[in-house]
Amino acid sequence: DVLMTQTPVSLPVSLGGQVSISCRSSQSLVHSDGNTYLHWYLQKPGQSPQLLIYRVSNRFSGVPDRFSGSGSGTDFTLKISRVEPEDLGVYYCLQSTHFPPTFGGGTKLELK
Amino acid sequence: EVQLQESGPGLVKPSQSLSLTCSVTGYSITSNYWGWIRKFPGNKMEWMGYISYSGSTSYNPSLKSRISITRDTSKNQFFLQLNSVTTEDTATYYCARIYWYFDFWGPGTMVTVSS
Repeated sequence: DVLMTQTPVSLPVSLGGQVSISCRSSQSLVHSDGNTYLHWYLQKPGQSPQLLIYRVSNRFSGVPDRFSGSGSGTDFTLKISRVEPEDLGVYYCLQSTHFPPTFGGGTKLELK
Repeated sequence: EVQLQESGPGLVKPSQSLSLTCSVTGYSITSNYWGWIRKFPGNKMEWMGYISYSGSTSYNPSLKSRISITRDTSKNQFFLQLNSVTTEDTATYYCARIYWYFDFWGPGTMVTVSS
């Protein structure tokens, strides 16, 4: 299985600040069709995960432009600018290029 | 809008079978793919498997022959059965709609395996 490594595990932030979360894969996530199937989720306390970014850099419907994704190959980043209280929770990356789909271990965004 | 809701027992004894139902509204399960994902205590997430619009299935090899996903199109529901459970199957179980990503999720149901 493709190993997805997220860093950091915990990320203290001040409201209004900017943070980045890293996700690295054990092999390239470029699919044979040319697309890269790397996605980002946020799980708020007591809720199910919600899709933020799909295919590296595409914001899902209703996701504010404070969230942006970038990267290629094996190295990907989620950036959150102007952090708001509703952004707190656990962030996951997910790869679905290779079978089976695998998740990163999660990054907990919390207030300083 | 697509809505999913998991249901089933919250407590299962070791060696028994875990059975969950995912009820879908707002979208037909005869379109797209529909899957199960679980989150273990802590943060680890695992994709378990899916059933397609045609009824074909695919499972995580880690679950070997313990897992079965079926459906009832007349009720717009799909089901998870996990056999021979152990305490390591204690988790919150989610159903979701699948493209290459999981875009709509149910709220999840917590299942504890304990005698």
